[in-house]
Amino acid sequence: QVKLQQSGAELVKPGASVKLSCKTSGYTFSTSYMSWFKQIPGQSIEWIGMIYAGDGGTGYNQKFKGKATLTVDTSSSTAYMDLSSLTTEDSAVYFCSPTTEGISLFAYWGQGTLVTVSS
Amino acid sequence: DIQMTQSPSSLPASLGERVTISCRASQGISNNLNWYQQKPDGTIKPLIYYTSNLQSGVPSRFSGSGSGTDYSLTISSLEPEDFAMYYCQQDASFPPTFGSGTKLEIK
Repeated sequence: QVKLQQSGAELVKPGASVKLSCKTSGYTFSTSYMSWFKQIPGQSIEWIGMIYAGDGGTGYNQKFKGKATLTVDTSSSTAYMDLSSLTTEDSAVYFCSPTTEGISLFAYWGQGTLVTVSS
Repeated sequence: DIQMTQSPSSLPASLGERVTISCRASQGISNNLNWYQQKPDGTIKPLIYYTSNLQSGVPSRFSGSGSGTDYSLTISSLEPEDFAMYYCQQDASFPPTFGSGTKLEIK
C-alpha cells in the first residue's frame, strides 16, 4: 500500500532555510506527481505546488514562488521541499501528497512535518 | 484563484443525527469538488471525489451532491469517529483551493 514518511519536526531561526522530506513506497514514484501543502494550526490547507518525478517539472502556487523549491530523488523515491528565508509566518505543518494526474483527488497524505520559526 | 466558502464553520451535533456541510465556489467548478476529513492528530483522509463518488473504504453514511458553484457533504447518521474537521477542495483549476473548514463537534 502507499506509504509516505515525512521528516521530523524542525525548529529554525528567522532568515534560515529548511529542507523537508517525504519518503514514499507502494506506488510508482517516477511516473507520479507530488504535491505539498501548508496548514497553519487552526487554519485551512493551502496548496504550495507540485513536481512531476518523471522529469522534475514543477508548478507552484503564485503565493509560494520564491519561498518553496520542490525536488525529487527518484533513486530513493523521496520528494523534498526547501523553504527559504523563513519568517514566523512560515510556521506551520507541511504535508506531502502524491497523485497520478496532477491535481486530482489527493488520496494519500503524509503525517505532516511541523516547522516552527522562532529566534 | 477560486475561493471556496464553507458553512457552517462549527456544527454541534449528536450521535445518530443527520448533518449537512455546504461549500460554495466563487465560480463554477463543473463538479470538480472533493471532500476530506481531518482528525485532531492531523491525519487527513479523502471522503468524496468529483462531487458524489465515495472514496474506497469510506462508509456509505457519507454522501456528496451539488453542481455549478454549490456543493454539500451529508453524513446520514453520525458515529463517534465522525467528529472531526471537514474540508472541501476544488480541482477544476490551478491552484487547487480548500474551503475554510467545518468543525463537527459533539453537542
